[in-house]
Amino acid sequence: EPEVTQTPSHQVTQMGQEVILRCVPISNHLYFYWYRQILGQKVEFLVSFYNNEISEKSEIFDDQFSVERPDGSNFTLKIRSTKLEDSAMYFCASSERLAEDNEQFFGPGTRLTVL
Amino acid sequence: AQKITQTQPGMFVQEKEAVTLDCTYDTSDQSYGLFWYKQPSSGEMIFLIYQGSYDEQNATEGRYSLNFQKARKSANLVISASQLGDSAMYFCAMREGQNFNKFYFGSGTKLNVKP
Repeated sequence: EPEVTQTPSHQVTQMGQEVILRCVPISNHLYFYWYRQILGQKVEFLVSFYNNEISEKSEIFDDQFSVERPDGSNFTLKIRSTKLEDSAMYFCASSERLAEDNEQFFGPGTRLTVL
Repeated sequence: AQKITQTQPGMFVQEKEAVTLDCTYDTSDQSYGLFWYKQPSSGEMIFLIYQGSYDEQNATEGRYSLNFQKARKSANLVISASQLGDSAMYFCAMREGQNFNKFYFGSGTKLNVKP
């Protein structure tokens, strides 16, 4: 069964450093998403991406964040200068289409720890 | 106002018994979708069940069923015959008619199944 994959599973970085979180969505999916979950809290939407453009972003997704689809398969989230409060689990998700009934398939997540 | 409210931070259930996890939602859209995801301690997000706003019958998937009460804006998850492996966080989520771009998640319910 096709699945969303994410690398690395765990990333530890120093405050102020840049990190790139990688995702490979399901191959025939067209819509891609990043979510964040701070430990013990709810899952929060960061950004959605379609046709090589950001479709929507939340207020969390400030200038420190960027997303890219550098080739036909990878979808990346870059945090330019990490802060302590960026420590969280980051989930990538993809969906085949944009419809109320279309589930988003989530990857296993990358746990980011900023020291 | 919160889009998704889960009022039970934690629940206990005896193995083999049924349990209901509460979820209420807030939307003014006529068209929306409601989802439940399971998050085990390993962290991944596993899709369980979907209910569409226009569906007249409650959704069922194996041991999972959704008690959908549209007038009350509730979409409670019922797990029948609980198993030890059901111990996890459970998140209710919604996609709205005007913006299928993202999920709104609730704060989750931690379910513990006792042997």
